[in-house]
Amino acid sequence: DTGVSQNPRHKITKRGQNVTFRCDPISEHNRLYWYRQTLGQGPEFLTYFQNEAQLEKSRLLSDRFSAERPKGSFSTLEIQRTEQGDSAMYLCASSRLAGARNEQFFGPGTRLTVL
Amino acid sequence: AQTVTQSQPEMSVQEAETVTLSCTYDTSESDYYLFWYKQPPSRQMILVIRQEAYKQQNATENRFSVNFQKAAKSFSLKISDSQLGDAAMYFCAYRSANSGNTPLVFGKGTRLSVIA
Repeated sequence: DTGVSQNPRHKITKRGQNVTFRCDPISEHNRLYWYRQTLGQGPEFLTYFQNEAQLEKSRLLSDRFSAERPKGSFSTLEIQRTEQGDSAMYLCASSRLAGARNEQFFGPGTRLTVL
Repeated sequence: AQTVTQSQPEMSVQEAETVTLSCTYDTSESDYYLFWYKQPPSRQMILVIRQEAYKQQNATENRFSVNFQKAAKSFSLKISDSQLGDAAMYFCAYRSANSGNTPLVFGKGTRLSVIA
């Protein structure tokens, strides 16, 4: 069990550019979640997957955001035409499918700064 | 929609003393789970303690315990014998019991400082 990993850890980009983040969940975890955390706030849910199927998208996930989880393993989160308001920490978490005690394990996050 | 409120943006405690962090939530569901997560500076979030709503007994994990008041929709975290390593952001979170392991709803967090 190597934990949830995210790459890159930091990304600085100019407004209008596209960025892509990657999350590698704990192996055998069926569910994968993306959250966004802005300064002084708690994480907010963006979207989540069960295997390769995207089950739910938050209203926070505008058309500029897209997430995929091909083959039910790693996931990518792409932001097109970035805006300064997209600056945040993007957190990935994974868990087993079901069971009350199956906690969500978080990765270290990708900090995005849009200039 | 469910909401989680943490009314204490910052708290401080002397080393070895006890501190209580507050959390209230709002839901119309009867079956759910509540969590406290710890986020140390520049480190990833880890689970501190969990509580199933159907259990009347308050959860405990070593120095960490909760006071779960379902009718009042209150879920506070007590840290006993505080240590320097307890300094972190603490987030209260809610999860529905429906449809498997669903996304978490977090509060805004409480920053805990531990004074040596």
